[in-house]
This record gives sequence, structure tokens and C-alpha cells, in this order.
Amino acid sequence: NAGVTQTPKFRVLKTGQSMTLLCAQDMNHEYMYWYRQDPGMGLRLIHYSVGEGTTAKGEVPDGYNVSRLKKQNFLLGLESAAPSQTSVYFCASSWSARGPNYEQYFGPGTRLTVT
Amino acid sequence: ELKVEQNPLFLSMQEGKNYTIYCNYSTTSDRLYWYRQDPGKSLESLFVLLSNGAVKQEGRLMASLDTKARLSTLHITAAVHDLSATYFCAVDISGNQFYFGTGTSLTVIP
Repeated sequence: NAGVTQTPKFRVLKTGQSMTLLCAQDMNHEYMYWYRQDPGMGLRLIHYSVGEGTTAKGEVPDGYNVSRLKKQNFLLGLESAAPSQTSVYFCASSWSARGPNYEQYFGPGTRLTVT
Repeated sequence: ELKVEQNPLFLSMQEGKNYTIYCNYSTTSDRLYWYRQDPGKSLESLFVLLSNGAVKQEGRLMASLDTKARLSTLHITAAVHDLSATYFCAVDISGNQFYFGTGTSLTVIP
């Protein structure tokens, strides 16, 4: 049971380039989330998904797109990377958002640098 | 705009001492979460507080929630070096949107 995995672990992009970050979970979770973490700040929610084929915007969605074509995968895309998107990106998943035993499981993170 | 504030932001404490980290939030919520993050690592869930007055304890850490005061505390008892990490609280206001505090960086000195 791998839990939540993220690919890649590190990436350097030039301004204007595009890339996709992949998050995969093997716990059959319905909910998946993408966060970014910047120095001196907590995590901020970019986008989330409450099930296969559904996505919604979080707190800081601009410049990012997501897709959830399969229940176990949640993709985060940057169409035209900007230096302001330099950050550590975390994916998380959970059974539900309001259940009594709710807990988010986090992936190991992807460190992205945009030059 | 929802704000989640933690204090202190940085905490250096001696082994064996007690201390409390505070988490204030600006809107109504009955759910609050505490996480631990080691340097360069991911987040580990510590506590899930689901109602007013909830108290949970694990080892030297105890978390509580006062929804009327919009305040949660994380109390550290007899700190040990292994507790050195950054601690985050997070508030869930809709079931899908989580707002994190800025974190408290804890260093326990021998």
C-alpha cells in the first residue's frame, strides 16, 4: 500500500513552459486535493476534487488546471509557468470531507522551481 | 476572508518544559486539524477535533477546541527533542476547503 504518491519529486522549469504534476492514491479515496506551500506560509488549496470527473477551485486556482479522469489520479497542470509558481506542491486525499473519521493523507511533495 | 493565525511563529524551548501553541480562526467552524511537518517532509496528521470542547491527547501532545472562542490549543508537556518540527493547524469551513495557519516552528533544546 503506497498511500499517496507524487511525480515528479523535483522539477525546474523556464518561464512559459508547461508541465503536469501527477498524484496517485491507492486507498480508493473519493476526495483529492492540490496544495502549494510557500516559505513562511501554511498550505494553500489550489483545486480539489470530490470524485472522478469532478473538480473545483480552491483558494489560489489562477494559473493552474486540474483533471480527475480516474478515481485514483489527480493531475495538476501549469500551462505557462511563472516564477510566482515556484513552490512545493502537495497532493492529499481522503475518504470524505465531513465523516467522523475524516483524515487527509498527504503525498511527499513536488519541489518546483520556475526560472 | 478567512484567517487562521498561529502564535507563536517560532518557539524555542528547553527539554522538559511545557508550552502551548495557539490557533485562532476568523469564521465559524466546528472542525479543526493539527499537523506536524518535519523539514523537507510531508505533513502528518496529529489530531482531528470535531466539536466544541473536544480534547485529544497523544503522548506529550494535547489538543483542544473552543468553537465559541474560535480557538484551538496544542499543549506540549515535558518537551523532548523528537518533538522539534513545524506544527500547523487547519480549519475546515465547508467540508472541502481547508485553510491552514502559517505554522509554528518548534525547536526543543537539550
